[in-house]
Amino acid sequence: TQLLEQSPQFLSIQEGENLTVYCNSSSVFSSLQWYRQEPGEGPVLLVTVVTGGEVKKLKRLTFQFGDARKDSSLHITAAQPGDTGLYLCAGVPSGTYKYIFGTGTRLKVLA
Amino acid sequence: DAEITQSPRHKITETGRQVTLACHQTWNHNNMFWYRQDLGHGLRLIHYSYGVQDTNKGEVSDGYSVSRSNTEDLPLTLESAASSQTSVYFCASSEWDSPTHFGPGTRLTVT
Repeated sequence: TQLLEQSPQFLSIQEGENLTVYCNSSSVFSSLQWYRQEPGEGPVLLVTVVTGGEVKKLKRLTFQFGDARKDSSLHITAAQPGDTGLYLCAGVPSGTYKYIFGTGTRLKVLA
Repeated sequence: DAEITQSPRHKITETGRQVTLACHQTWNHNNMFWYRQDLGHGLRLIHYSYGVQDTNKGEVSDGYSVSRSNTEDLPLTLESAASSQTSVYFCASSEWDSPTHFGPGTRLTVT
């Protein structure tokens, strides 16, 4: 059972457009991490969100943790080709000790 | 600069052979992890270690083993390689329960 659902699975947009990627669960998470993975490389940790309602910004990327700590979103403003990659959310559902990854959103930004 | 390396980067082996994938980190992290990444399944935890002489099974540990004789290394051994173990393998390290630094991956093909 996949406890972390990401949407959309695939996204192809033009340079300059804005986009939002979602990470949803029926479970509560004490924290959530977002990673970006480029082809042929390992995931790179972008951010950790801990508090319900928390918003973190990383240049053009804005990460939000849901108030109930069951979901998170990643918003990219004015996407650039360098943003292309696989975006993964991950965390430990409450009541478990298992750190799980979502299946990812594959983003392609066209120049 | 500290880093985490994996070798080999690519490996082709035959069914039934024993294979060992190397992981070496110079972050001096206590925690190390092995994941496999497959289409449709995302990243799944194979084994992890919280320190020297400590090893633990993850969610897909059957057919794999690890040993931790020092802080820097966590080799992953496939006792008798099977075609179902064809995958991309990632090693990670962290000072926390969740992985923060990933290696570049090893692409393993079992024929």
